[in-house]
Parts: sequence; C-alpha cells; structure tokens
Amino acid sequence: DVKVTQSSRYLVKRTGEKVFLECVQDMDHENMFWYRQDPGLGLRLIYFSYDVKMKEKGDIPEGYSVSREKKERFSLILESASTNQTSMYLCASSLFLRSSGNTIYFGEGSWLTVV
Amino acid sequence: GQNIDQPTEMTATEGAIVQINCTYQTSGFNGLFWYQQHAGEAPTFLSYNVLDGLEEKGRFSSFLSRSKGYSYLLLKELQMKDSASYLCAVRTDSWGKLQFGAGTQVVVTP
Repeated sequence: DVKVTQSSRYLVKRTGEKVFLECVQDMDHENMFWYRQDPGLGLRLIYFSYDVKMKEKGDIPEGYSVSREKKERFSLILESASTNQTSMYLCASSLFLRSSGNTIYFGEGSWLTVV
Repeated sequence: GQNIDQPTEMTATEGAIVQINCTYQTSGFNGLFWYQQHAGEAPTFLSYNVLDGLEEKGRFSSFLSRSKGYSYLLLKELQMKDSASYLCAVRTDSWGKLQFGAGTQVVVTP
C-alpha cells in the first residue's frame, strides 16, 4: 500500500522558532511536494523536488526552505516561524512521469499553529 | 498566471446527482485530476482526464473539454459519506506538478 508519512500531525510553535516538518514516502517516488492548505485558498505549492538534492520553488516559497538528502525523505523548514504560517501542511509524492494518469499521493497533513 | 475556478459550496439530497464544474486557465496542461477530501484528512484520488470526453468510475464520472478549459465531476446516487470537499487540479508540466482549485464543499442532506 502507498504510504506518505508526516512525522507530526499537530504542532504549536512560537514566533521566531525554527520548525522542521518531516515527510517520508515508501514508494520509491522521484517527485516530492510540499503544499499548504488554507480555507478559501485551496492547496498552494511551496516547494517541490524531482530528485535527490534537487529543489524547485513553487508558488509561495517565501519564508520556507526544503531539504532532500535521500530519495524517500523531503523536509520543509520554517527558518523563523511567523503567525501567518499557521496552516495545514501537506506532503505528497509521485512517480517521475511524462504522460500518465499517475497521481500524487498525500500524507495525512501537519497542522501547525504559530503563536 | 494560473487560474482554476470551482464553486465554493453545493448542497444536494441523498440519492440525488450533483455536478461540480471546474474551469481553468493555466500556463500548461498535462491532465486534470479530481480529489476528494474529508474534513481533517488528506486528499484522495478520484479521477484523471487527459483527453476530451467522459471517464466513468462507478458512481463518479469526470468530463474534460480542453478547448473550453472546462471539466466537471458528476456524483450519482449521493450518499451521506460523499459529504466532503472536492478538489480540481491541473498538471501544468510534464513532470508532475499540480495546481489546485480552492475546492468545492459538497453537503449531502437526508
């Protein structure tokens, strides 16, 4: 069975703290993604990675960075958390594909509150 | 820029049919996906269209018209468990990146 695991479901952090959100997939997928989901805005892409040590900015990368040292792991880093980063964060993975119905698979989500 | 529009909310009765429309204007197009998301859970895959026409999968069908930048998801024989948010997403490159609409909340009433 397909599995994308996010290490923390619920976190509360203070403004200015450094926050790590970890994501691991067991499907040998090349692609990994970090989205955030906010009411009325839907899912917005923060960063994605097509390969180990490779990263590309999505639509809203400001205030975030990522790390992909191993194929199965993709970490999202908030260097200095701010209250406007309170959100639900979704990690996802997919096969590296050219033309296919291969979908992306999501983790359960991490609810981050910054106070 | 990217623009994917879908209605915010729809209400329907158990056993009825509901059609959720999605219109898109994106820099690239390499397929359209529909996902279902229950409150507090991860989105799960429902359907995929890359060519024009209708794809049917049990009670769910999805239609695509690339020339019109339009898709719909049809939910038949609605059940209470179908109450969820339905997300329209466009794959905008050939590598796998998805752009999502804001989602349509479907409320099924008895």
